[in-house]
Amino acid sequence: QKEVEQDPGPLSVPEGAIVSLNCTYSNSAFQYFMWYRQYSRKGPELLMYTYSSGNKEDGRFTAQVDKSSKYISLFIRDSQPSDSATYLCAMTDSGNTPLVFGKGTRLSVIA
Amino acid sequence: DTGVSQDPRHKITKRGQNVTFRCDPISEHNRLYWYRQTLGQGPEFLTYFQNEAQLEKSRLLSDRFSAERPKGSFSTLEIQRTEQGDSAMYLCASSLQGSRAFFGQGTRLTVV
Repeated sequence: QKEVEQDPGPLSVPEGAIVSLNCTYSNSAFQYFMWYRQYSRKGPELLMYTYSSGNKEDGRFTAQVDKSSKYISLFIRDSQPSDSATYLCAMTDSGNTPLVFGKGTRLSVIA
Repeated sequence: DTGVSQDPRHKITKRGQNVTFRCDPISEHNRLYWYRQTLGQGPEFLTYFQNEAQLEKSRLLSDRFSAERPKGSFSTLEIQRTEQGDSAMYLCASSLQGSRAFFGQGTRLTVV
């Protein structure tokens, strides 16, 4: 079992839909959780950064962390075709260790 | 542009040749990471530096791979005697302590 599991999709939704992306993990020591967006042939772009459990909102994006269930989510409201990309979850146990990534979920938002 | 810069963006090489990639981190960042990403996979950690010290290397980093960060600024990743299995995107990231890492656009390596 990999440390971080993420459904690779692909996920296809109509424009304006609410998108839910998820990751599960096995290492209970993880405390820092991130979501990155990666367009084709580009580097990952940091979208959301969360410490420990709880919710964080930034514009159309909401990140949720449930440490008791070892489950994190990213919600995208009013999805746009420009949101079409691969979304990677990443996490680490402290600020001193490298990130562990999921495989990424490929999202297509259809106009 | 003050982001992470990687050069070259794309490299095609013949099997058995050596290649070297360069990464220029965000200027005030003391941590620099190298990751490798293959198609359909998330980035996999290779190695990281704090200032000029190489603090950790993944078991993925065979003895054909070497990385340096001589003055605690830019870094180079060299692959000797390249193999077809080395074909991947090589990503560099930097951070200022903590875990909020910012990535460059990557170097896509194709070994033919």
